[in-house]
Amino acid sequence: GAVVSQHPSRVICKSGTSVKIECRSLDFQATTMFWYRQFPKQSLMLMATSNEGSKATYEQGVEKDKFLINHASLTLSTLTVTSAHPEDSSFYICSARDPTDGEAFFGQGTRLTVV
Amino acid sequence: GESVGLHLPTLSVQEGDNSIINCAYSNSASDYFIWYKQESGKGPQFIIDIRSNMDKRQGQRVTVLLNKTVKHLSLQIAATQPGDSAVYFCAENSGWGKLQFGAGTQVVVTP
Repeated sequence: GAVVSQHPSRVICKSGTSVKIECRSLDFQATTMFWYRQFPKQSLMLMATSNEGSKATYEQGVEKDKFLINHASLTLSTLTVTSAHPEDSSFYICSARDPTDGEAFFGQGTRLTVV
Repeated sequence: GESVGLHLPTLSVQEGDNSIINCAYSNSASDYFIWYKQESGKGPQFIIDIRSNMDKRQGQRVTVLLNKTVKHLSLQIAATQPGDSAVYFCAENSGWGKLQFGAGTQVVVTP
């Protein structure tokens, strides 16, 4: 079964609104989670590293004020896309690292469509 | 900058044949590599991994080969099945689960 649960799987929102995506580790406590974005026919690009109890670390070119990350517990990280625009439409995927062996497990992804 | 990349964007293989997917990496300090399978609309699924102190590792119907001399990684799928149709990514673990992905190869299995 899935060890990382991501919700929702699909979301459609109006331009200018905000959308929250949740990533939960089910079988282990994850001090570190990662958020990736994937455009059609492209590879996964790391957006940010979510650290439990501290600020997220963003990759170059990713707007921290637009993509708000909260990692308030050892099993939950959230990504909020604020003031979404059509160009934010993408597939967002989270992963959580199992601290016992370092293996990364991926969520099933969230298809965001901004209209 | 350092990157992980793939030679072939699309691979068409006949059902029952073996598939070979290639990946070149440029960071000679990389010590851990992973192959993922991604089906349409889903997140990546772990296939197999290999550490830099190995040159070959086998799983169920899959084999990963690592050539550190030429910084090349490959995934071999034996007796390819229709269910193997997907995009395959190699990824480099740059530390603590942070992954850098290659461009991906679309594998299409034909009957």
